[in-house]
Amino acid sequence: QKEVEQDPGPLSVPEGAIVSLNCTYSNSAFQYFMWYRQYSRKGPELLMYTYSSGNKEDGRFTAQVDKSSKYISLFIRDSQPSDSATYLCAMSDNGGSQGNLIFGKGTKLSVKP
Amino acid sequence: DGGITQSPKYLFRKEGQNVTLSCEQNLNHDAMYWYRQDPGQGLRLIYYSQIVNDFQKGDIAEGYSVSREKKESFPLTVTSAQKNPTAFYLCASSREGVVSPLHFGNGTRLTVT
Repeated sequence: QKEVEQDPGPLSVPEGAIVSLNCTYSNSAFQYFMWYRQYSRKGPELLMYTYSSGNKEDGRFTAQVDKSSKYISLFIRDSQPSDSATYLCAMSDNGGSQGNLIFGKGTKLSVKP
Repeated sequence: DGGITQSPKYLFRKEGQNVTLSCEQNLNHDAMYWYRQDPGQGLRLIYYSQIVNDFQKGDIAEGYSVSREKKESFPLTVTSAQKNPTAFYLCASSREGVVSPLHFGNGTRLTVT
């Protein structure tokens, strides 16, 4: 079983839809969870960073962590064409500063006008 | 503007040649990382460095070498021993400490023929 599983998509939604992106993981020691957005031919940029369980909201984006189910989600409200990108989840047991950040393979999202 | 600069954006080399990818950061971050990204695969760690003149192998270090002579710079050499070097290479940096997300450059696309 891979440490982090993420559906690669592609996921296509109409503008204005609510998008749900998800990752599952197997290592119960993970406690730092990140979502990165990557536009084509660019580097990933950090969207959300959460510690342990619970929800975190930032504008149209909400990150949710359910440690009991080993499941994390990113919700995008009122999706826009500019949200079209690949979304990578990443997680670590100690913050990732020592090179042990584990990435999902990414979900490609397309938001149609 | 603070950030990470990777150069060049595109690089072409003949098989059997070594090639060095540049990565410079002005974020005053202690830790720097090199990742490789292939289609359909997550980011895979090649090397990382937490301090000047010290670095550690990641999951796929074979066929690569690095140096960290300055805090700002972490060049990656792809040697002729790397069996499948064509890929998108991403450099990242972070502050030291537990809660420290990665900041990425915009990558170098290396094509070896």
